[in-house]
Amino acid sequence: SQQGEEDPQALSIQEGENATMNCSYKTSINNLQWYRQNSGRGLVHLILIRSNEREKHSGRLRVTLDTSKKSSSLLITASRAADTASYFCASRMDSSYKLIFGSGTRLLVRP
Amino acid sequence: GAVVSQHPSWVICKSGTSVKIECRSLDFQATTMFWYRQFPKQSLMLMATSNEGSKATYEQGVEKDKFLINHASLTLSTLTVTSAHPEDSSFYICSVTSGTYEQYFGPGTRLTVT
Repeated sequence: SQQGEEDPQALSIQEGENATMNCSYKTSINNLQWYRQNSGRGLVHLILIRSNEREKHSGRLRVTLDTSKKSSSLLITASRAADTASYFCASRMDSSYKLIFGSGTRLLVRP
Repeated sequence: GAVVSQHPSWVICKSGTSVKIECRSLDFQATTMFWYRQFPKQSLMLMATSNEGSKATYEQGVEKDKFLINHASLTLSTLTVTSAHPEDSSFYICSVTSGTYEQYFGPGTRLTVT
């Protein structure tokens, strides 16, 4: 399967704590993106990091990319109950517009 | 970003019937559209890539005669699930791109086959 892996599969934290999710992918990429999905809903684009970038910030989000290890991490700082959702990484290969999604992390932020 | 709609948002059909799902790009000319399937508590799996005016490219393991895709214009792609069976029950999501980094996703269609 081309699908990437994410860990942990599920994460439960207290409001205010930080949440870190990791993603690994299999092929050479053009960019890697992170998405959020509330239960039974569509995807919300969070952040995109290009293959020549190592770190990117957007508000409470921090994304890192290590192309030598084919891995990325998403850090959500000062989590809120409203951050409860599933988070997916998606890698875009060099030669294609296709996005290959990771297996996802279900985040629960307890109030 | 682009606004993408899907219709219907949910549908229930009987086993053996066909269901058509529409994906519209409301403010964006989408040269390429993608169709994904997502089973409960699982990730999105790419089913096929469709380019306007040409035949869709299906991913390995996806039956092209069962999942018919038509990308007739730069703003509309349709996915028809033919002779649906309960195992086809899933969340179907489309996305659009103009070929840049960005891919914009529709809200999804939940299909239940009884």
